[in-house]
Amino acid sequence: EVQLVESGGGLVKPGGSLRLSCAGSGFTFSDYTMHWVRQAPGQGLEWVSSVSSSSLYIFYAKSLKGRFTVSRDNAQSSLYLHMNSLGVEDTAVYYCAREAYNRGWSWGQGTLVTVSS
Amino acid sequence: EIVLTQFPGTLSLSPGERATLSCRASQNVNSIYFAWYQQKPAQAPRLLIAGASNRATGIPDRFSGSGSGTDFTLTISRLDPEDVAVYYCHHYGSSFVTFGPGTKVDIK
Repeated sequence: EVQLVESGGGLVKPGGSLRLSCAGSGFTFSDYTMHWVRQAPGQGLEWVSSVSSSSLYIFYAKSLKGRFTVSRDNAQSSLYLHMNSLGVEDTAVYYCAREAYNRGWSWGQGTLVTVSS
Repeated sequence: EIVLTQFPGTLSLSPGERATLSCRASQNVNSIYFAWYQQKPAQAPRLLIAGASNRATGIPDRFSGSGSGTDFTLTISRLDPEDVAVYYCHHYGSSFVTFGPGTKVDIK
């Protein structure tokens, strides 16, 4: 069974930084493109970033303005999101997701990031 | 940039009724990379349909997907109270990902 477990969320002050992690299990992590998606309170889903299986291709949502960096460690079956210069608009549940080509995405349970003074 | 529009915004039906949810893309999309998700309160999204029409593992057969090009439909043939949720359409590719704004399904 595919399992994705996010961690690293919490309360951070505006302007601060945070690193999120996602541990994958139940599948060969190194075979799949991985994504981060966020959901602000009461809002819809917003794609944040993706990284291909070998980290060759990395993409970000334009709205992030270069503040976030995605990375992965296939040996550890882990995905990361480094977030800098956080603002209140970054408050959201952050999900990691596995892209299974034409078979859709599998999702973790999410980790809540709250940016507040 | 492909934009997905979902309608209606909210659907309120009685148990046993048929629910038809629509998603329209701003340009033709490859249906292979088109999916539908269900999200219940305080839960992560759950894959219902992949490749526009293929039910994911464990999804009841009352859920079905159809469509191609710019117009896609998710149908719940007989609404069950456990189907109360927000439903999102989704298209993804090598360098882009987009989600629709969601359709909220309520029980009357």
